Amino acid sequence: DQQVKQNSPSLSVQEGRISILNCDYTNSMFDYFLWYKKYPAEGPTFLISISSIKDKNEDGRFTVFLNKSAKHLSLHIVPSQPGDSAVYFCAADSGGSNYKLTFGKGTLLTVNP
Amino acid sequence: NAGVTQTPKFRILKIGQSMTLQCTQDMNHNYMYWYRQDPGMGLKLIYYSVGAGITDKGEVPNGYNVSRSTTEDFPLRLELAAPSQTSVYFCASRPYTFSGNTIYFGEGSWLTVV
Repeated sequence: DQQVKQNSPSLSVQEGRISILNCDYTNSMFDYFLWYKKYPAEGPTFLISISSIKDKNEDGRFTVFLNKSAKHLSLHIVPSQPGDSAVYFCAADSGGSNYKLTFGKGTLLTVNP
Repeated sequence: NAGVTQTPKFRILKIGQSMTLQCTQDMNHNYMYWYRQDPGMGLKLIYYSVGAGITDKGEVPNGYNVSRSTTEDFPLRLELAAPSQTSVYFCASRPYTFSGNTIYFGEGSWLTVV
């Protein structure tokens, strides 16, 4: 029973183009969503987040869009750079005091020079 | 500025052996978590703690135990290791006030059970 789904295991884009990573969720109680980036042999690092009261959040080259009615969010990276090549995890939180995150399986992004 | 420190980074265990993965954070965070990541999968929560002396089970706690005697340390104990416990383990911590960019992960511990 996967509550956070990243259906694309991998994505390959050219440097300078847009990368779009998708994430779907099933639990209506999720109210906060995060994207983490992970390089090999390192722990995940926070990238960007969005609250369920918003539909868009931007931070430099990274923008996250949330469509609550479709239970879908996406991460846009523009322009993509070779250093963005990593595994990207979508995570969701249902609030409460313990903030236990539910993670998707991740999408391996490869940005080709 | 150490953040979240995990040891060991790599370990090979034989079936039936026991070991402890150590996790220490120096940020005085209340909340600490242990996740495991299997190949091609997302991170799954094993155990978490909301403060010293308080622990609770996550999604996949079977075969593991934890303790939280201090704010800084949150060791994960594997009893009677099994091949199914071959995974990468991540410890994480965050302060009381939640904000996405304040969940800090350690670098991971790679465990192989043979």
